[in-house]
Amino acid sequence: KQEVTQIPAALSVPEGENLVLNCSFTDSAIYNLQWFRQDPGKGLTSLLLIQSSQREQTSGRLNASLDKSSGRSTLYIAASQPGDSATYLCAGGLNAGNMLTFGGGTRLMVKP
Amino acid sequence: NAGVMQNPRHLVRRRGQEARLRCSPMKGHSHVYWYRQLPEEGLKFMVYLQKENIIDESGMPKERFSAEFPKEGPSILRIQQVVRGDSAAYFCASSLQAATNEKLFFGSGTQLSVL
Repeated sequence: KQEVTQIPAALSVPEGENLVLNCSFTDSAIYNLQWFRQDPGKGLTSLLLIQSSQREQTSGRLNASLDKSSGRSTLYIAASQPGDSATYLCAGGLNAGNMLTFGGGTRLMVKP
Repeated sequence: NAGVMQNPRHLVRRRGQEARLRCSPMKGHSHVYWYRQLPEEGLKFMVYLQKENIIDESGMPKERFSAEFPKEGPSILRIQQVVRGDSAAYFCASSLQAATNEKLFFGSGTQLSVL
């Protein structure tokens, strides 16, 4: 059974800092790894999707990496802004049906 | 192109009543997923449906919960005889295909409160 863990659970940084969010998963037979953003009271917004054959994906100030052998993914946020404050969730897909196993999330606060 | 629409946004029920949560996927999407987020817990997969078919319901409680996605109209998640432990945010997501590398698009969720 796939388990996904995110560390830290909460993070507070000053504006402008580069930061890394960590995600680990127990089953390396992973089809894809997705990172989402969740704002309070809102749904999830897909940020990046890394296929199992890929090592990383980039979108703007975001870069996500995937290391299947070690069961880890990281989300790198460059030059953080107060608008980046949200909960970031990683989720692993174990099969072709897109059923995802989510981590508990990292609650990020970027202070102006 | 409207996103995934869920209604109601908030639903209050008393113990023993029925709750019906609706989800309209993005236009052209025929794959729908329901997830539940309990207080202080992560999102848990409940059920995956295609039009008129339940593909995977391995995350759905065996009793009181049912889901459907009819040929016409929204997907419905139905909870009979609700209990306080059913209080949670229920999220619906849709995708164009079931392929492994399709992004999921989520709705804003329905917050169910059971009194």
